[in-house]
Amino acid sequence: GAVVSQHPSWVICKSGTSVKIECRSLDFQATTMFWYRQFPKQSLMLMATSNEGSKATYEQGVEKDKFLINHASLTLSTLTVTSAHPEDSSFYICSARQVFYEQYFGPGTRLTVT
Amino acid sequence: AQSVTQLGSHVSVSEGALVLLRCNYSSSVPPYLFWYVQYPNQGLQLLLKYTTGATLVKGINGFEAEFKKSETSFHLTKPSAHMSDAAEYFCAVIDSGNTPLVFGKGTRLSVIA
Repeated sequence: GAVVSQHPSWVICKSGTSVKIECRSLDFQATTMFWYRQFPKQSLMLMATSNEGSKATYEQGVEKDKFLINHASLTLSTLTVTSAHPEDSSFYICSARQVFYEQYFGPGTRLTVT
Repeated sequence: AQSVTQLGSHVSVSEGALVLLRCNYSSSVPPYLFWYVQYPNQGLQLLLKYTTGATLVKGINGFEAEFKKSETSFHLTKPSAHMSDAAEYFCAVIDSGNTPLVFGKGTRLSVIA
């Protein structure tokens, strides 16, 4: 089956530093990748959609300068949380889509900002 | 715009009992429907999906769902609950093209021994 990996699975950083999260589709080429944020006991909140070689499309209310997304290739997308603050602590999940009805999710990254 | 409503944020069943998780959608075009499961501190795993064809869809782990257009529903069922089924379940819809999945708020399933 299709596999999406994320790295790191958890990270702790100090307030003001930047953190990069990688998302890879391991056995398929993803036409589109998505980044979600999930708060405890809540559903997934879509942050942005990215296509390889194009600028990401951010959802309303998501700061594009804080959450930098780079979709470098058909198998790799990165999310960089810049100048992280405690309120950015969350569970971040990426997802990769090969065709519109086949979307697979990574295992998530737990970010804690101290 | 499409939307998904999952009735019941928390469902509790006894081990061996029927599992029924409800999902209703709104969409202006024929939808594509999905059920995902999430275990604690993990990503989402696809249980099953409906795209076209047979309206009764079978998925992994003994789950199935039936697309009922007249009721705009896509309820998830399993005849006999196992302890390992305890998790968060999300219903999602996409209407077409490259638009993002729209998720329901999720239903937490507890299985009581």
